[in-house]
Amino acid sequence: AQSVTQLDSQVPVFEEAPVELRCNYSSSVSVYLFWYVQYPNQGLQLLLKYLSGSTLVKGINGFEAEFNKSQTSFHLRKPSVHISDTAEYFCAVSPPGGSNYKLTFGKGTLLTVNP
Amino acid sequence: NAGVTQTPKFQVLKTGQSMTLQCAQDMNHEYMSWYRQDPGMGLRLIHYSVGAGITDQGEVPNGYNVSRSTTEDFPLRLLSAAPSQTSVYFCASRLPGTASYEQYFGPGTRLTVT
Repeated sequence: AQSVTQLDSQVPVFEEAPVELRCNYSSSVSVYLFWYVQYPNQGLQLLLKYLSGSTLVKGINGFEAEFNKSQTSFHLRKPSVHISDTAEYFCAVSPPGGSNYKLTFGKGTLLTVNP
Repeated sequence: NAGVTQTPKFQVLKTGQSMTLQCAQDMNHEYMSWYRQDPGMGLRLIHYSVGAGITDQGEVPNGYNVSRSTTEDFPLRLLSAAPSQTSVYFCASRLPGTASYEQYFGPGTRLTVT
């Protein structure tokens, strides 16, 4: 079984400040890792994913994440946030290979960017 | 392409009533899933389908039925609604195999059971 822990339920930051949203996972096998973003009253949109290879992955809107196998972490970072980044962010894991239709999500982190 | 569409956007039911949440996609995705989102709980998988005629249970299937007669549609049925089913429901789809690992989500249906 797999599980995902997002360590912060809410993260308030000021505009143009850097931000890190933390994600740890637990799994007895290798996993694929994802970050999704949900803007208010919308569905989820993929930000980035880690399948294999380079541990630093870049996504849309200037976000990046680093996979750390020894710490079982996949933290999301952005060097300078904008008001428009205010949203809820979800970390998710799935089994590797083609059967990753079964995503396991964390409980989400609400990022609020203040002027 | 319209992507993944869900209807209705909002629904209020009384306890014991039944209804069907509709989900359709026009991307020819074989994999489709239903999730429910509750405050502080993230998204939890209800049912999923890997193709027409093939469905299986996810993490929280009790109280919900699904069927998949076409590639495009994947309706979710509540046979006897309960207040515990008050939630936001999301449908998602993706291509099979290793072509892409991105799941595409619909805009959601907000359901209230009184």
